[in-house]
Amino acid sequence: EPEVTQTPSHQVTQMGQEVILRCVPISNHLYFYWYRQILGQKVEFLVSFYNNEISEKSEIFDDQFSVERPDGSNFTLKIRSTKLEDSAMYFCASSGRNRGETQYFGPGTRLLVL
Amino acid sequence: QQQVKQSPQSLIVQKGGISIINCAYENTAFDYFPWYQQFPGKGPALLIAIRPDVSEKKEGRFTISFNKSAKQFSLHIMDSQPGDSATYFCAASTSGSRLTFGEGTQLTVNP
Repeated sequence: EPEVTQTPSHQVTQMGQEVILRCVPISNHLYFYWYRQILGQKVEFLVSFYNNEISEKSEIFDDQFSVERPDGSNFTLKIRSTKLEDSAMYFCASSGRNRGETQYFGPGTRLLVL
Repeated sequence: QQQVKQSPQSLIVQKGGISIINCAYENTAFDYFPWYQQFPGKGPALLIAIRPDVSEKKEGRFTISFNKSAKQFSLHIMDSQPGDSATYFCAASTSGSRLTFGEGTQLTVNP
């Protein structure tokens, strides 16, 4: 069964450093998302991406965040200058060819900012 | 208005019992209501979903009940099993846009 994959599974970084989280969505999907989950809290939407541009973003997704689909398979989330409060589990999700289809989530990247 | 409120925060049931988790929403534009199951260290996995044109949807032991007028929906897990022990999130979205998640319910099913 096709699945969303994410790398790395864990990342530890120093405050102020840049991190890039990588995702490979399900191959025929067209809508891509990033969510985060701070430990013990609910899953929060960050950004959605369609047709090579951001379609929607939350108030969390400020200028420190960016997304990119550098090739036909990868979808990345970059945090330019990490803060302590960026420590969270980051989930990538993708959905199919039609808006409104189920979002399938990857296993997540646990980011720890020291 | 974008919030989805979920209760209870934690739930303990005996094997074979019924687990019931409730969610309420404010935004009447929401038109898609999925439930996700999450095991420790894993991403949320879709369990079952409903759209507001039906009041109930059943898949195996899992049933969603939907009350449009009350803006509430619930997940019922019949014949709960220890393998059902996980965190359950309700969510809502408008026309497939961002998912707004509830706070999560940690379900423990005792053998």
